[in-house]
Amino acid sequence: AIQMTQSPSSLSASVGDRVIITCRANQDIRIELGWYQQRSGNAPKLLIYGASSLQSGVPSRFSGSGSGTDFTLTISSLQPEDFATYYCLQDYNYPRTFGQGTRVEIK
Amino acid sequence: DVHLLQSGGGLVQPGGSLRLSCTAFEFTFSDYWIQWVRQAPGKGLEWVANSNQDGGRQNYVESVKGRFTISRDDAKNSVYLEMNSLRGEDTAVYYCARDGDRSVGGVWVDVFDIWGQGTVVTVSS
Repeated sequence: AIQMTQSPSSLSASVGDRVIITCRANQDIRIELGWYQQRSGNAPKLLIYGASSLQSGVPSRFSGSGSGTDFTLTISSLQPEDFATYYCLQDYNYPRTFGQGTRVEIK
Repeated sequence: DVHLLQSGGGLVQPGGSLRLSCTAFEFTFSDYWIQWVRQAPGKGLEWVANSNQDGGRQNYVESVKGRFTISRDDAKNSVYLEMNSLRGEDTAVYYCARDGDRSVGGVWVDVFDIWGQGTVVTVSS
């Protein structure tokens, strides 16, 4: 199975900060990666698919980039509702695998 | 509005069985793959299984192969996750998700765009 490694595992940031989360695959997955946000106790929500395509209805402060093995999720200006856990998910092959998650907390 | 409604979780003894249901509203259910994802208490997300539109193609994570089976009933706009020989490590919140896969630059990618609310499965004696 493809291993997805996110960093950092957690971070503390303030409203208005620029936040960058990285996800690394242990093999080439082209652009077959999505990013999901999970607020406490809720179902995940799709933010980005195909590494860089913004899902409809998701604020433009979220962006994704990368291809191959290295990917980033950027939040350009952190908002109060963005405090959550973020997961990357590879859909290059089976089994699909998630990163371990990055928890974004209030500083 | 477009949504998925889940049911069927609960407490079951080790070795027991449960069937989870995931029912689609306001979209053509038979047009989509359906994914199952779980989250053990205090842990991250784990992909479990999926099924294509007619149920003819299914994929499972190794730890549930031979124990879990997906079935679909288009007449009821529903997909089911049949779970047998349950173990303590199957304890989790289970989510179903619609996969509205899309082509990005010629590459088809998964798009888990609609999620159910989740259902709790507890395996314990």
